[in-house]
Amino acid sequence: EAQVTQNPRYLITVTGKKLTVTCSQNMNHEYMSWYRQDPGLGLRQIYYSMNVEVTDKGDVPEGYKVSRKEKRNFPLILESPSPNQTSLYFCASSFRGRGENYGYTFGSGTRLTVV
Amino acid sequence: KQEVTQIPAALSVPEGENLVLNCSFTDSAIYNLQWFRQDPGKGLTSLLLIQSSQREQTSGRLNASLDKSSGRSTLYIAASQPGDSATYLCAVSSNTGKLIFGQGTTLQVKP
Repeated sequence: EAQVTQNPRYLITVTGKKLTVTCSQNMNHEYMSWYRQDPGLGLRQIYYSMNVEVTDKGDVPEGYKVSRKEKRNFPLILESPSPNQTSLYFCASSFRGRGENYGYTFGSGTRLTVV
Repeated sequence: KQEVTQIPAALSVPEGENLVLNCSFTDSAIYNLQWFRQDPGKGLTSLLLIQSSQREQTSGRLNASLDKSSGRSTLYIAASQPGDSATYLCAVSSNTGKLIFGQGTTLQVKP
């Protein structure tokens, strides 16, 4: 089944303790991206990657890191989490051809609470 | 800066009604527009994707239209069912691949 898999689904952590949220897709998509969803603010892009070893900042990159060493994986790293990073996080991927993205598939989400 | 607006923010209808959800965007230079469904606390499920060169897409009881020049899209749901209750999100894609989302329309279909 074609899908984007995120882990973990739920995570409660303490301020300052480094964590990684994993994202993997099995559709050979070039494009991958991370979003966070907050009440009243909607979905906002954190980072994106056009292909392996190519990453760039989205609208709200502060406090986050990403890497794209393999095409299928795009982990989101919080080096020193803070309570304002409590949110619902989504990973998404897309096939990209002729400069366009052809539809996005989203993961099931990771609900992160930082206390 | 691209902005996406969805109207109404919430909608409650009796089962069986046909309904229209609206989405507008400020910059017509989009690559595509996608409609998603989100159930409470869950992920996003893609419903329909309309490329910038297309005018509409259909899937079952759903029909989405796109008018780039006026910056509008509509999602038409025929013969609504209680199982259609969810939040519907409209998103436009920029040249970097970023999706810009509207705030969504929360739909409740009453039996």
